[in-house]
Amino acid sequence: DAKTTQPPSMDCAEGRAANLPCNHSTISGNEYVYWYRQIHSQGPQYIIHGLKNNETNEMASLIITEDRKSSTLILPHATLRDTAVYYCIVRVWSNQGGKLIFGQGTELSVKP
Amino acid sequence: GAVVSQHPSWVICKSGTSVKIECRSLDFQATTMFWYRQFPKQSLMLMATSNEGSKATYEQGVEKDKFLINHASLTLSTLTVTSAHPEDSSFYICSARLGGLGTEAFFGQGTRLTVV
Repeated sequence: DAKTTQPPSMDCAEGRAANLPCNHSTISGNEYVYWYRQIHSQGPQYIIHGLKNNETNEMASLIITEDRKSSTLILPHATLRDTAVYYCIVRVWSNQGGKLIFGQGTELSVKP
Repeated sequence: GAVVSQHPSWVICKSGTSVKIECRSLDFQATTMFWYRQFPKQSLMLMATSNEGSKATYEQGVEKDKFLINHASLTLSTLTVTSAHPEDSSFYICSARLGGLGTEAFFGQGTRLTVV
């Protein structure tokens, strides 16, 4: 199973872009990269996912390197409500149709 | 996005009693649901995978007789913590996936269990 490595914490100024890195050097060809976030005492919230190409939605952009060994989640204009723990997850394939195994994530603090 | 609802949001129970937590997919059918547990300041830990109409698959180290999972319909999975003890106090979270390769999972809001 591919593992991910994320910095334990990051700060970002409100209104600025937040760039959250993730290393997944052992990712295999058919594994997707998923990003979720968890605001304190809530269930995780899906943000975005991708396989090879960069992806963008209303919440964020996902940049995946050409060798797929790392990725960056970009929150273009961080707000105080983006303060959360962000999880980068590589989809685990199993007979059960793909479990999500959470690492420790990055605790993002958006400051005024 | 799809909605997954958990009930109750929080529960306090006495040691030795059993507690049932429900997880419902409100606007889609989920053949597979997942149950997680999260202790304070820790990440989510997968407990088991729940499949509609069949036995759940438990992760290593999770007692299947203590954490009973039932997935009787395509929209409902339940987790029963039997003979609860204070060390079972935790945040329990379920998720359901729309299905297919690459599709995202949606999580419930979690259930805070406190065993006194």
